[in-house]
Amino acid sequence: DAGVIQSPRHEVTEMGQEVTLRCKPISGHDYLFWYRQTMMRGLELLIYFNNNVPIDDSGMPEDRFSAKMPNASFSTLKIQPSEPRDSAVYFCASSDRAFGELFFGEGSRLTVL
Amino acid sequence: GQQLNQSPQSMFIQEGEDVSMNCTSSSIFNTWLWYKQDPGEGPVLLIALYKAGELTSNGRLTAQFGITRKDSFLNISASIPSDVGIYFCAGDNYGQNFVFGPGTRLSVLP
Repeated sequence: DAGVIQSPRHEVTEMGQEVTLRCKPISGHDYLFWYRQTMMRGLELLIYFNNNVPIDDSGMPEDRFSAKMPNASFSTLKIQPSEPRDSAVYFCASSDRAFGELFFGEGSRLTVL
Repeated sequence: GQQLNQSPQSMFIQEGEDVSMNCTSSSIFNTWLWYKQDPGEGPVLLIALYKAGELTSNGRLTAQFGITRKDSFLNISASIPSDVGIYFCAGDNYGQNFVFGPGTRLSVLP
């Protein structure tokens, strides 16, 4: 079975540009999570969805970040405009329950110059 | 918010040695989980614990849910090179609070 699929795996962009990260969760999983990983702050939950509805977006750093889940098989995380401090690995994870046994994608490594 | 502490932060061991690491919190959790992250990959769930005092094994890995519900332990027996990676604990409080620890970085020397 296919796991969580993320794209792109790597993105290098310049400050001020728009970045869109994509995620396809595991089929049948009702929960989708976006995490950010940095050396300084570790794994941080940005937002999570249940049945395509955002439940908790308190981890979204600021208005430059937005996430959508238009259907059960697709979600996006958008940063506009991007800044160098947004450089990190962004993970998408899905689960069949609120928390706990999360299945992570391979991550999208973002570098903002 | 609630935070988890993991000890040690990093460790270097010889192949074949046993490994012990722990995770502590100031708050009670009803679920403890252990994940492993290989370089360039996402974390992968190793073991999930749902009951205080529970001891669960997954191959050479054994994890325990602390009796106080504020800690958990992970042991790896007879380490091998592929055990290299970052081990994260995570705690869940009925979905109200879910947090990852900072990780323990394991290096295995041949």
